Amino acid sequence: ETGVTQTPRHLVMGMTNKKSLKCEQHLGHNAMYWYKQSAKKPLELMFVYSLEERVENNSVPSRFSPECPNSSHLFLHLHTLQPEDSALYLCASSPTGGNYNEQFFGPGTRLTVL
Amino acid sequence: GQNIDQPTEMTATEGAIVQINCTYQTSGFNGLFWYQQHAGEAPTFLSYNVLDGLEEKGRFSSFLSRSKGYSYLLLKELQMKDSASYLCAVRGAGSYQLTFGKGTKLSVIP
Repeated sequence: ETGVTQTPRHLVMGMTNKKSLKCEQHLGHNAMYWYKQSAKKPLELMFVYSLEERVENNSVPSRFSPECPNSSHLFLHLHTLQPEDSALYLCASSPTGGNYNEQFFGPGTRLTVL
Repeated sequence: GQNIDQPTEMTATEGAIVQINCTYQTSGFNGLFWYQQHAGEAPTFLSYNVLDGLEEKGRFSSFLSRSKGYSYLLLKELQMKDSASYLCAVRGAGSYQLTFGKGTKLSVIP
């Protein structure tokens, strides 16, 4: 248990579905992240939310839409996904002050797009 | 941009020592992290280096040379539970975002 929870843990969806992934952190951090992890590829940063900034990786398609209503919750809204979007989606959080800023990861959502 | 390179796979024997290397080329540098990830689980933090030298934490040590763009993770007295992927990640200057390498899958054999 890292203090970062994600739901659902597994999701199977069709290309026409709309679904959302949820992340919640109980660590008092003020930065949250979405990563995509595909087989044989590096962890790919998709989005960052913090008190100071929102950062998007410009290569992320618009069919992925993040929402961060407060510093403890982060959502990833999915619509009209493609089979190549099947991957493990990891949420992480970290503090932003100081130099250390270790990121704590949630267990991930294993997404399969049919 | 950032480019991080580490071996894809390594195999080592239980009780032995293994060194996992990571080289990086970055436009700025503000720290290097090592994470461990067991299959089907989240990455967990192992170590952080921002200055040159060796950081030791129990059976695990991490080394950094900023001038060479090089780091290694040293695992001593290997145990079967150390079989996992080891991810090298670099934080750029003026940022707390991490760029990850592809990870090194370590298999520990009896």
